[in-house]
Amino acid sequence: EAGVAQSPRYKIIEKRQSVAFWCNPISGHATLYWYQQILGQGPKLLIQFQNNGVVDDSQLPKDRFSAERLKGVDSTLKIQPAKLEDSAVYLCASNSRTVYEQYFGPGTRLTVT
Amino acid sequence: QKEVEQNSGPLSVPEGAIASLNCTYSDRGSQSFFWYRQYSGKSPELIMSIYSNGDKEDGRFTAQLNKASQYVSLLIRDSQPSDSATYLCAVSEYGNKLVFGAGTILRVKS
Repeated sequence: EAGVAQSPRYKIIEKRQSVAFWCNPISGHATLYWYQQILGQGPKLLIQFQNNGVVDDSQLPKDRFSAERLKGVDSTLKIQPAKLEDSAVYLCASNSRTVYEQYFGPGTRLTVT
Repeated sequence: QKEVEQNSGPLSVPEGAIASLNCTYSDRGSQSFFWYRQYSGKSPELIMSIYSNGDKEDGRFTAQLNKASQYVSLLIRDSQPSDSATYLCAVSEYGNKLVFGAGTILRVKS
């Protein structure tokens, strides 16, 4: 079974530029999560999707971050405009409705200069 | 604010010893408990899940849960240098977002 796929793996941008990350969850997993992990900290949830609906986006900075999962499969997370403090690893995870374990993709390391 | 607390470490143990990692959580509504291992530059890898009070063993790993004390632990027996990593404790309500601790750095010295 293929794992969670993410791209790109690395991205370097200047502040005020925009960036987008892509995630394809494990096949059949209805729930998809985006987490932000700042160096030295544990991952923090940004947004949770159930199929193509948003379950929790309470910690998503909505003035600059947006995410979508239009067909209930893959998802895109966008940052516009980026700030220096957005430098982090962006992790995508997924699980099924009946199995609570979440599995993570390799992550995208974003550096904002 | 739901919180998960872990000692940051580093926890240093000799090869072959037992490593004991601890975690406390604030939300009594938490029902699912997980331990992830994260190597430097890599993403978190699930190593244990536990849902009921007591012990759960999987190979060299044993997870322990005490909901009354809001305490979760992970024991690693016969520690190997390859176990050196950051161990993340995570809790959730069923099927929902994970709340992570900051992680404990484990170093196994050969």
